[in-house]
Amino acid sequence: GDSVTQMEGPVTLSEEAFLTINCTYTATGYPSLFWYVQYPGEGLQLLLKATKADDKGSNKGFEATYRKETTSFHLEKGSVQVSDSAVYFCALHSGGYQKVTFGTGTKLQVIP
Amino acid sequence: DTEVTQTPKHLVMGMTNKKSLKCEQHMGHRAMYWYKQKAKKPPELMFVYSYEKLSINESVPSRFSPECPNSSLLNLHLHALQPEDSALYLCASSSTGRDQPQHFGDGTRLSIL
Repeated sequence: GDSVTQMEGPVTLSEEAFLTINCTYTATGYPSLFWYVQYPGEGLQLLLKATKADDKGSNKGFEATYRKETTSFHLEKGSVQVSDSAVYFCALHSGGYQKVTFGTGTKLQVIP
Repeated sequence: DTEVTQTPKHLVMGMTNKKSLKCEQHMGHRAMYWYKQKAKKPPELMFVYSYEKLSINESVPSRFSPECPNSSLLNLHLHALQPEDSALYLCASSSTGRDQPQHFGDGTRLSIL
């Protein structure tokens, strides 16, 4: 079956540091890939997506590239802010829209 | 602002009570979802409605009963819950395409006494 593996957290960074959160996946066919973010006390929000190989999704300074050869979708940001502190979930849709496979989530804490 | 609205935000109930969670969206989405999320875990899918018909039930106990009265509303009826059912319950909606993201509400924090 489909699966998503994310790096273990929590990740603690100083403000303006570079962020990478690793995500790799196993899926049949050609999945669509997503990063969702969950701020404290809120639901999940779409951060970015990519629907085919070599696509780059970007939003709010975050980027991720769909790498079919390495089955990866790593999240990066060049300079994190305290307001980026949240839990980040890598996810995929494969074969249909109804079931999303989520990674376990990575908690990011950014300190001033 | 969240485009999926869930009420109530918090709910405390005893094991013998009956209550309902409500979810509403006005984005024209034809798929709606209920998820259960425990602390420090990803959301777990419970139910999917597609075009107002139940299409997925992930073997959820019958003490949880979903209802989709129309394309904008989704309810989750609760009865005789157990302490382990305490969690954040998230509603989501989406368009019906493989590359369409899900839009989540902020959830109902449920505590079972």
